[in-house]
Amino acid sequence: QPVLTQSPSSSASPGESARLTCTLPSDINVGSYSIYWYQQKPGSPPRYLLYYYSDSDKGQGSGVPSRFSGSKDASANTGILLISGLQSEDEADYYCMIWPSIAVGVFGGGTKLTVL
Amino acid sequence: QLQLQESGPGLVKPSETLSLTCIVSGGSISSNSYYWGWIRQPPGKGLEWIGNIYYSGSTYYNPSFKSRVTISVDTSKNQFSLKLSSVTAADTAVYYCARRLILDNRFDPWGQGTLVTVSS
Repeated sequence: QPVLTQSPSSSASPGESARLTCTLPSDINVGSYSIYWYQQKPGSPPRYLLYYYSDSDKGQGSGVPSRFSGSKDASANTGILLISGLQSEDEADYYCMIWPSIAVGVFGGGTKLTVL
Repeated sequence: QLQLQESGPGLVKPSETLSLTCIVSGGSISSNSYYWGWIRQPPGKGLEWIGNIYYSGSTYYNPSFKSRVTISVDTSKNQFSLKLSSVTAADTAVYYCARRLILDNRFDPWGQGTLVTVSS
């Protein structure tokens, strides 16, 4: 199974933007997969945020603010979650996920986002 | 509004079989639009996909579990279940059930999760 690499932690101040990354192994092309993002706050189940495949193929979860957006950096083989206009309520763990095949799902290790 | 609720023993002895059920309410499990999945999270750690089932009974499992895991569905009770055999302390985790949409493969919604501790 592939390993998705996320930075263990990230921090930013309220009002700033946070850029969380999810790096795929070199033998898996990020351009070929949708990247899913989930938010988890302490004591709660994960919440679906969005998925991103391309600018023309993406989806936002119900009730998820538009300040959460996805993108990719093909040169780095990375999926990106951008959170703009950070709010204190955005402090949470964030997990990326891909489906390398219909039969197998893989989560990243998660990033703990601190809003300073 | 669709809701999922995990249920089962919170304590399982090593080498025994962990058994959990996910009760689906507010919608039918017998839909051709969804898979139903199990995901777990060891204390303080990340998420791990365990497997999915379709209402017809077809399953997909994480290869890491394949020899120990069984997911089944009971459409008459609108629920699906997880069995994990030969458990060890490493299987101690919060176990979540979730709906996976076939259209875009997202897990949404999730159950609240249930902590299963493996200990003698």
